[in-house]
Amino acid sequence: AQKITQTQPGMFVQEKEAVTLDCTYDTSDPSYGLFWYKQPSSGEMIFLIYQGSYDQQNATEGRYSLNFQKARKSANLVISASQLGDSAMYFCAMRGGSYIPTFGRGTSLIVHP
Amino acid sequence: SQTIHQWPATLVQPVGSPLSLECTVEGTSNPNLYWYRQAAGRGLQLLFYSVGIGQISSEVPQNLSASRPQDRQFILSSKKLLLSDSGFYLCAWSLGLAGVDTQYFGPGTRLTVL
Repeated sequence: AQKITQTQPGMFVQEKEAVTLDCTYDTSDPSYGLFWYKQPSSGEMIFLIYQGSYDQQNATEGRYSLNFQKARKSANLVISASQLGDSAMYFCAMRGGSYIPTFGRGTSLIVHP
Repeated sequence: SQTIHQWPATLVQPVGSPLSLECTVEGTSNPNLYWYRQAAGRGLQLLFYSVGIGQISSEVPQNLSASRPQDRQFILSSKKLLLSDSGFYLCAWSLGLAGVDTQYFGPGTRLTVL
């Protein structure tokens, strides 16, 4: 069975600073994908970044990067230079051989001016 | 480019009334389609997914049903709503079912059952 754990229910960061959102996972599948989504107050789930289990390098998408540590089964999201618009819920998810995606419970990020 | 639509955006229904939520995808063929429910302050619960027309897999026993009458149309229904059906319903699509296949979500429907 797959499991995603996000241990930070809420995080606060000052505008323009970097923040790391934690995600650990558990799976017995040799091949899997890890995803991060942003959910603003409007509700839409916005895809941010993807990391494949066989990818050698950490994924980056603009201000978002995924700190992938396979041996530790962690896939932390790093947001650099936080902006007020980054305030939202952030969900970590994974997908392996079972085809059924598994989502974490989310982390609420608040960016202060 | 691909886009996904959901309607209605919000819905308030009395207990015992029927439900029909619609999701359509544009710009792709034979997508895999998903219905999720998100209770207030909670994560996502997968309700149904479909790999093709008329093919529906249910993940949890419940008061809801799903149908896929056309390639890019996915419908979530109920004959009689319960209070516990309240929540935020999200439709999503992906090209495949593998770990590399990203899911893309629609704007969601906020359902309140009174």
